[in-house]
Amino acid sequence: RKEVEQDPGPFNVPEGATVAFNCTYSNSASQSFFWYRQDCRKEPKLLMSVYSSGNEDGRFTAQLNRASQYISLLIRDSKLSDSATYLCVVVNSGYALNFGKGTSLLVTP
Amino acid sequence: NAGVTQTPKFQVLKTGQSMTLQCAQDMNHEYMSWYRQDPGMGLRLIHYSVGAGITDQGEVPNGYNVSRSTTEDFPLRLLSAAPSQTSVYFCATHMTVNTEAFFGQGTRLTVV
Repeated sequence: RKEVEQDPGPFNVPEGATVAFNCTYSNSASQSFFWYRQDCRKEPKLLMSVYSSGNEDGRFTAQLNRASQYISLLIRDSKLSDSATYLCVVVNSGYALNFGKGTSLLVTP
Repeated sequence: NAGVTQTPKFQVLKTGQSMTLQCAQDMNHEYMSWYRQDPGMGLRLIHYSVGAGITDQGEVPNGYNVSRSTTEDFPLRLLSAAPSQTSVYFCATHMTVNTEAFFGQGTRLTVV
């Protein structure tokens, strides 16, 4: 079983919609959690860190549920520019990032 | 600031050839790592380094070598290219494993 699992999508939503992605992880000792965004044929870039208390950055809200071992990303009022692949990243006690395969989002006019 | 610079951006190799992918960072980060990204597979760790002189294997190290003689540079060597190594390669750096990772622009490698 892969350490980090995401629904690959694609999620097709109209502009203005709210969309949510989930990500599950297998290692209960995982320490840090992130959402990265990757545009087509580009490098991943940090969207936001995920804190135990949950955190919000504008239209984006990230939450962590340690008991159920999942993190979520909520995007409100979707924009065309939100179209991208969203990567869930989990850090264990080692030195490397564990990536999910990514969830593809397409926001349509 | 340049951040993380990867070269080349594109490369075509013949089976059996060797080459080095370069990665340089000017962020003074200790952690550097190499990933490959294949369709449907996500990013997989090849090798990583936690400081100059220290390297270790990741999830898919076979066929690749690395060295870290300075904080700034972390080259990835393909010893004898195989078609299975056709992929997009990303170098990443971060201050600690729990902080933001910064990626190079990627190298698109095709092995024929």
